[in-house]
Amino acid sequence: NAGVTQTPKFQVLKTGQSMTLQCAQDMNHEYMSWYRQDPGMGLRLIHYSVGAGITDQGEVPNGYNVSRSTTEDFPLRLLSAAPSQTSVYFCASTPFKGHTGELFFGEGSRLTVL
Amino acid sequence: GESVGLHLPTLSVQEGDNSIINCAYSNSASDYFIWYKQESGKGPQFIIDIRSNMDKRQGQRVTVLLNKTVKHLSLQIAATQPGDSAVYFCAENIIKAAGNKLTFGGGTRVLVKP
Repeated sequence: NAGVTQTPKFQVLKTGQSMTLQCAQDMNHEYMSWYRQDPGMGLRLIHYSVGAGITDQGEVPNGYNVSRSTTEDFPLRLLSAAPSQTSVYFCASTPFKGHTGELFFGEGSRLTVL
Repeated sequence: GESVGLHLPTLSVQEGDNSIINCAYSNSASDYFIWYKQESGKGPQFIIDIRSNMDKRQGQRVTVLLNKTVKHLSLQIAATQPGDSAVYFCAENIIKAAGNKLTFGGGTRVLVKP
């Protein structure tokens, strides 16, 4: 098992550009989520999914879109990047939507928006 | 709004001593409280969780204490080792039918001195 795989690890964008952060897990996990981590702050939930075809917003969803067409993949899309989206992004998954709080995290994708 | 936070941003500990990391929470409706460890350049890693109806739970070299009266959570690490140097996050989890939302605190850095 590779666990949770995120690509790319590093990305630099110009304001207004679009891009997709990829997340894949090979553990057949039902629940997947995206967090962003900013200096001095904890992780904040952007979007999450409790299964293929089902997504919902977290606490900071503005500027981001997600889809869940398969159990394995949960891409995060930035349609028009802004400097405020400079952050480290983490994808996480867990077997069930009613989880106790044990998430399995990827290694992160560091995004810089100029 | 509801939040999860930490008292100390940095904790310096002598190798071999015990570490205590504290966390204050405000949402009394949380079902689980969780501790994560994040090493530099990596994603957070689950350490231990505790259900809201418990006061104490022990793992390997770690103990989590929950005081619901004062809404306080702590993580105790016994015989701290250099490999324990990391940022530690507390988090709270509310189990919902539509999918849980895990809320993280701001994190505290533990530095182990040789």
